[in-house]
Amino acid sequence: AQSVAQPEDQVNVAEGNPLTVKCTYSVSGNPYLFWYVQYPNRGLQFLLKYITGDNLVKGSYGFEAEFNKSQTSFHLKKPSALVSDSALYFCAVRDSNTGNQFYFGTGTSLTVIP
Amino acid sequence: ETGVTQSPTHLIKTRGQQVTLRCSSQSGHNTVSWYQQALGQGPQFIFQYYREEENGRGNFPPRFSGLQFPNYSSELNVNALELDDSALYLCASSSFRGGRTGELFFGEGSRLTVL
Repeated sequence: AQSVAQPEDQVNVAEGNPLTVKCTYSVSGNPYLFWYVQYPNRGLQFLLKYITGDNLVKGSYGFEAEFNKSQTSFHLKKPSALVSDSALYFCAVRDSNTGNQFYFGTGTSLTVIP
Repeated sequence: ETGVTQSPTHLIKTRGQQVTLRCSSQSGHNTVSWYQQALGQGPQFIFQYYREEENGRGNFPPRFSGLQFPNYSSELNVNALELDDSALYLCASSSFRGGRTGELFFGEGSRLTVL
């Protein structure tokens, strides 16, 4: 079975401070991992993905994610948070067997405090 | 480049009715997936269409059905609506190559309320 877990429902960080949104995964086979962001009453926007290669993946809007195979984690990071980063963040894993279904976590609400 | 568009954006139905949601995929993409996002939850996979055929299905009953057209647009049909069908329905387009779906690009969603 494939799944991701986002252990924090809510993350608060001060503007200008580094932020981390956590994600752990469980897959059979190679993991294909993704981060998406959702603003209120909007669809999901793709931020970045890990397929293979470097463990540090860079994405949109200054976000990056670190893939850690031994800890089965794929945490989203940003060196300096902006108020406009406040949104709902979803980690997802693509089914490694069928190659078509994505499994999403329950989401982490990020609030950046001015 | 045209993004993914969905219609309608909001609609209200009553139990037992039927609904059709529509989606136009992003140019250059050949695959459409539909996801259901209940309030406070992550999106749940309903099904995917590739070359006008269903190419994977999640844990949803047969009253959820779909179509993909030659121009890669798609419809999601839900029959015999239930209260629990109230959700945001997200369409996502992607490229399907080598037996794998690339990253998903989502539309803004159709919010369905069942009374």
